Amino acid sequence: EAQVTQNPRYLITVTGKKLTVTCSQNMNHEYMSWYRQDPGLGLRQIYYSMNVEVTDKGDVPEGYKVSRKEKRNFPLILESPSPNQTSLYFCASRFRERETQYFGPGTRLLVL
Amino acid sequence: SQELEQSPQSLIVQEGKNLTINCTSSKTLYGLYWYKQKYGEGLIFLMMLQKGGEEKSHEKITAKLDEKKQQSSLHITASQPSHAGIYLCGADSGANNLFFGTGTRLTVIP
Repeated sequence: EAQVTQNPRYLITVTGKKLTVTCSQNMNHEYMSWYRQDPGLGLRQIYYSMNVEVTDKGDVPEGYKVSRKEKRNFPLILESPSPNQTSLYFCASRFRERETQYFGPGTRLLVL
Repeated sequence: SQELEQSPQSLIVQEGKNLTINCTSSKTLYGLYWYKQKYGEGLIFLMMLQKGGEEKSHEKITAKLDEKKQQSSLHITASQPSHAGIYLCGADSGANNLFFGTGTRLTVIP
């Protein structure tokens, strides 16, 4: 089944404790993105990648890192999480620009 | 910066009623996407519109993009409880960024 998977789905952590949210897609998509969704602010792009080893900042990249060592994986790294990073995070992928983007199931993160 | 405005922000309808959700941009849209999100869950792709005047339908949901490509509407015919959720419109900014409206929360009362 073609899909985008994320892990973990739920995560509670404390301020400053490094964490990684994994994202994987099995559709051979070139483009991958990370978004966060917050009430009243909607979905905002954090980082995106157009191919292996090619990443760039989105609208809200502060406090996040990403890497794209393989085509299928695009992990999101929070080196030192803070409470304002409490949010619902989505990974997404698409074959190329201006084509349908498919989303993962989301990761709900709570930073205490 | 480009923004998408959705209206209404929330909608409560009786089962069986028709409804329309609108998505408006101040600039020409190059690609307009409709997604549905169950509360706190992932986004499910519904439809993509690219050409001015284009209209697509899937089951009881119809989406249209106006000729100027600045406004899209999503119409649900004979709504059912399964249609409940948050409907999001998204658009390509041209720089590998898909930006979104803030969503319309739909409640369908049985």
